[in-house]
Amino acid sequence: DAGVIQSPRHEVTEMGQEVTLRCKPISGHNSLFWYRQTMMRGLELLIYFNNNVPIDDSGMPEDRFSAKMPNASFSTLKIQPSEPRDSAVYFCASSLGDRGSGGYTFGSGTRLTVV
Amino acid sequence: KQEVTQIPAALSVPEGENLVLNCSFTDSAIYNLQWFRQDPGKGLTSLLLIQSSQREQTSGRLNASLDKSSGRSTLYIAASQPGDSATYLCAVTSGSARQLTFGSGTQLTVLP
Repeated sequence: DAGVIQSPRHEVTEMGQEVTLRCKPISGHNSLFWYRQTMMRGLELLIYFNNNVPIDDSGMPEDRFSAKMPNASFSTLKIQPSEPRDSAVYFCASSLGDRGSGGYTFGSGTRLTVV
Repeated sequence: KQEVTQIPAALSVPEGENLVLNCSFTDSAIYNLQWFRQDPGKGLTSLLLIQSSQREQTSGRLNASLDKSSGRSTLYIAASQPGDSATYLCAVTSGSARQLTFGSGTQLTVLP
């Protein structure tokens, strides 16, 4: 398995533009998570899905953020409109089983810079 | 709300030394605990996963222990090497949710 695949690896965009981050979880994993990492706040959970259904989106900072998982092999995190304070590394992770009993596997992340 | 603390925040040791990284968590009702490694500008690499019913896990020069009742875990690195230099993150899965709660990490530097 190629692991959790995220795209793009780097994204530079202007303030106000729409940004879409993509994630392909490990085949067979039934839970998917989006995290954001900054120097100030460390790793923060934004949203997680179980069996393609959003379970908890309380970590999504604002209505400008939205996430979808249309099928078991694909998820997107969209920011519209983007702001400089959204600059961070965004990680996607997947796990198998309830409560991550098989452990969590992280993608390589998308480094977002909003100028 | 689960909180995870890692001590020390940074550690610098000479090559060859054995070292211990510490992790503590406030809610002992965890399902598992996972240690990750993160190199600068890179993603998270899973090192060890300990289920709540286990006391320790070993992989090569790494040994992680778990004392759930006291809310503590340690990561022991034997015979450290410069290639071990990275940030080490501890994370727990707990509560009715399924997500990981991370500590802030220990930045390790192994000097040649």
